[in-house]
Amino acid sequence: DTEVTQTPKHLVMGMTNKKSLKCEQHMGHRAMYWYKQKAKKPPELMFVYSYEKLSINESVPSRFSPECPNSSLLNLHLHALQPEDSALYLCASSPSQRTSGRGETQYFGPGTRLLVL
Amino acid sequence: GQSLEQPSEVTAVEGAIVQINCTYQTSGFYGLSWYQQHDGGAPTFLSYNALDGLEETGRFSSFLSRSDSYGYLLLQELQMKDSASYFCAVPNQAGTALIFGKGTTLSVSS
Repeated sequence: DTEVTQTPKHLVMGMTNKKSLKCEQHMGHRAMYWYKQKAKKPPELMFVYSYEKLSINESVPSRFSPECPNSSLLNLHLHALQPEDSALYLCASSPSQRTSGRGETQYFGPGTRLLVL
Repeated sequence: GQSLEQPSEVTAVEGAIVQINCTYQTSGFYGLSWYQQHDGGAPTFLSYNALDGLEETGRFSSFLSRSDSYGYLLLQELQMKDSASYFCAVPNQAGTALIFGKGTTLSVSS
């Protein structure tokens, strides 16, 4: 099974709402990633978890709060978002973080398309 | 820091061959990856070059010249389904995450 799943596929939320994005993989990968992607732009790294510990936070605003409950699951909690946060949020995994930079395949989920009103 | 340059758009017809170039500037270099992303879809891994030379996978090939900080993705026998965005990517300085180029939109027409 080489699949990364994400729910929900689409999400519309107001600026005062609290919502969560979920990501799951069962490939035994120990590195998991959150990316944000705007239209016609490349994915931008937000967070990296390695062995369930936060390894990289790319100076993401605190209204985005990641969580890794176990080695298969990754959540992104959203609170008080702004309209400019509307984007495709992609989750990815790779066997380990240390080797991901050396060409280990990153497996991406289909993403959650988020609209903040 | 790391930076990558690739053309923003390329157009071609079915059956043709197209080359998407990528030049990079990095502090430390591990290898060059290529990802494909269809509209509304997830990026999918295509290829990776750590050493100089050509890597072939079916209709797609990828080339790397480390001395020139340059690589390319070669797509042969183009099909309509190859219309997508193609991203080159390199590891960050610590080798712990990928930095993506801005992407090249390939449009294949009949």
